[in-house]
Amino acid sequence: QSALTQPASVSGSPGQSITISCTGTSNDIGGYNYVSWYQQHPGKAPKLMIYDVSDRPSGVSNRFSGSKSGNTASLTISGLQAEDEADYYCSSYTSISTWVFGGGTKLTVL
Amino acid sequence: EVQLVESGGDLVQPGGSLRLSCAASGFNLSSYWMSWVRQAPGKGLEWVANIKQAESEKYYVDSVKGRFTISRDNAKNSLYLQMNSLRAEDTAVYYCARRPLRFLNFDYWGLGTLVTVSS
Repeated sequence: QSALTQPASVSGSPGQSITISCTGTSNDIGGYNYVSWYQQHPGKAPKLMIYDVSDRPSGVSNRFSGSKSGNTASLTISGLQAEDEADYYCSSYTSISTWVFGGGTKLTVL
Repeated sequence: EVQLVESGGDLVQPGGSLRLSCAASGFNLSSYWMSWVRQAPGKGLEWVANIKQAESEKYYVDSVKGRFTISRDNAKNSLYLQMNSLRAEDTAVYYCARRPLRFLNFDYWGLGTLVTVSS
């Protein structure tokens, strides 16, 4: 049950696009299309942004998109806005009926 | 409106016990899998445990197996986490989270309750 691997930080200017990677194994990301992404602002609860690799819940901006290739999933945010500055966590269902999260990526909007 | 409100967090000594509660409203708790997820200070999220609708299945992260027990009372719309033999590394904000029907993610989260394990 090792954590998924995410970069500690990424940054971008308003209007630009950024991508956050999330690497796991064949027992989690590589084995299932059950990758989800969560946004967390300081002191707040996590918010679901992407589920099932690339689907967006109602109300989430279409500037957020997800994808997967092999054991690595990615979250792309296009047209960066100041309010996108937050921590982002990936998560995957696993082969032993548990969940695993990534270590989190701090997004800074310059 | 779906709401999850955790309570029960406190300062406890190593080796001690604590019971967390999560009060659910705005939906029928009995229809959903529920989970506990924790976040140590300044750290990332860690899934802790989940429980099926009728408690027939429960799963735990290895680090809490044998020490933590997840349970629920659907009649009271409540989820619980009994934590025994607490360690310093259990210090975290504990969130309860709902797993939506037919999906494997967490669509609603509470605001969390802080558990501090220290002498």
